Amino acid sequence: GAVVSQHPSWVICKSGTSVKIECRSLDFQATTMFWYRQFPKQSLMLMATSNEGSKATYEQGVEKDKFLINHASLTLSTLTVTSAHPEDSSFYICSASQGNTEAFFGQGTRLTVV
Amino acid sequence: GEDVEQSLFLSVREGDSSVINCTYTDSSSTYLYWYKQEPGAGLQLLTYIFSNMDMKQDQRLTVLLNKKDKHLSLRIADTQTGDSAIYFCADLSGGYNKLIFGAGTRLAVHP
Repeated sequence: GAVVSQHPSWVICKSGTSVKIECRSLDFQATTMFWYRQFPKQSLMLMATSNEGSKATYEQGVEKDKFLINHASLTLSTLTVTSAHPEDSSFYICSASQGNTEAFFGQGTRLTVV
Repeated sequence: GEDVEQSLFLSVREGDSSVINCTYTDSSSTYLYWYKQEPGAGLQLLTYIFSNMDMKQDQRLTVLLNKKDKHLSLRIADTQTGDSAIYFCADLSGGYNKLIFGAGTRLAVHP
């Protein structure tokens, strides 16, 4: 199946700094990319949907100025957590889709803010 | 909005069959998915079914879809300890092209 690579797998950062997470589709062009957040023992929560070349659509309650999403090409989307705080510590997962078909997931990024 | 619900926990004996159930509310669903998540890892797509199908079989996995009742199930035959994980049901909402996930079912396989 198609491969989605997410980087880094884990990151520890100091409170107040910004962290960028990359999501790449390696062998297909992803017209749509999704960013999810997973809290411990909870399901995935969709944060935002981004289509290549346009602004991301954020879900209700997700701060767009805090979670900056860029989808500049058909193979790369980035999520930047700005001014991170300990409550932002979580597991962030991206997925990529070519359209109305299955979405392929990255391996996730575990963010710990200290 | 659309919702997907699953039971949270299932325990089975090694070698038995596991059946994980899921219900959804979306009337414009196009695809329904089953994902497996092992501890600390991302999601692995197990299988998916198009909404105009009622059954799909893939080796030990059987997916049944009752579109009228909006009920989806995943059957794992000859369940092994390596099948222990969290299984997520997800609905691809046709109107918004986004995946809506259930809370996940934690499958525990014991000897």
